[in-house]
Amino acid sequence: ILNVEQSPQSLHVQEGDSTNFTCSFPSSNFYALHWYRWETAKSPEALFVMTLNGDEKKKGRISATLNTKEGYSYLYIKGSQPEDSATYLCALFPKADSWGKFQFGAGTQVVVTP
Amino acid sequence: NAGVTQTPKFRVLKTGQSMTLLCAQDMNHEYMYWYRQDPGMGLRLIHYSVGEGTTAKGEVPDGYNVSRLKKQNFLLGLESAAPSQTSVYFCASRGGRFYNEQFFGPGTRLTVL
Repeated sequence: ILNVEQSPQSLHVQEGDSTNFTCSFPSSNFYALHWYRWETAKSPEALFVMTLNGDEKKKGRISATLNTKEGYSYLYIKGSQPEDSATYLCALFPKADSWGKFQFGAGTQVVVTP
Repeated sequence: NAGVTQTPKFRVLKTGQSMTLLCAQDMNHEYMYWYRQDPGMGLRLIHYSVGEGTTAKGEVPDGYNVSRLKKQNFLLGLESAAPSQTSVYFCASRGGRFYNEQFFGPGTRLTVL
């Protein structure tokens, strides 16, 4: 099992500020790293799928990077808005598991205050 | 396309009762998953399926059974509900490539009294 750790557990951001948080993993023995956004009372929605060391993905004000050699992925939110408030989940698809199980982190809860 | 749908959305059971949660997807996905979400615990995998007629145990399978008789449907059963099974249940599906994202259903909120 690849332990996926996300930090911090939660963070509060003022509207307009930028922020970032981390998904870390002990090994690069996975096929893909997924980021999901999970708004309260809704279901998780995929943000990014990252597969290669050095991958950078961007969607609007949100971007992510992957560093498999040092064992982390960062997710950045530029100019946070209240609608960015959500829990952000990181999930790995381990190579050791060809059956398609994902290993999810516990998430980082982001609260953006006006 | 409806995507992933779950039935019912809410349910209250008494201890010892049984029920079945239905997950349906119209994206022709091979993989389907059942998760439970509890406060402070994130998403935990209960059972999953890699294709029609196959099922496998996840992280927390005890007290649940599943069936995938048709590719588009994945059923989660509770034979004898316990208060510890009070949770929000999410179904998800995805295509067969490792880079395919998971699509989640809207969730079922289950309370066991």
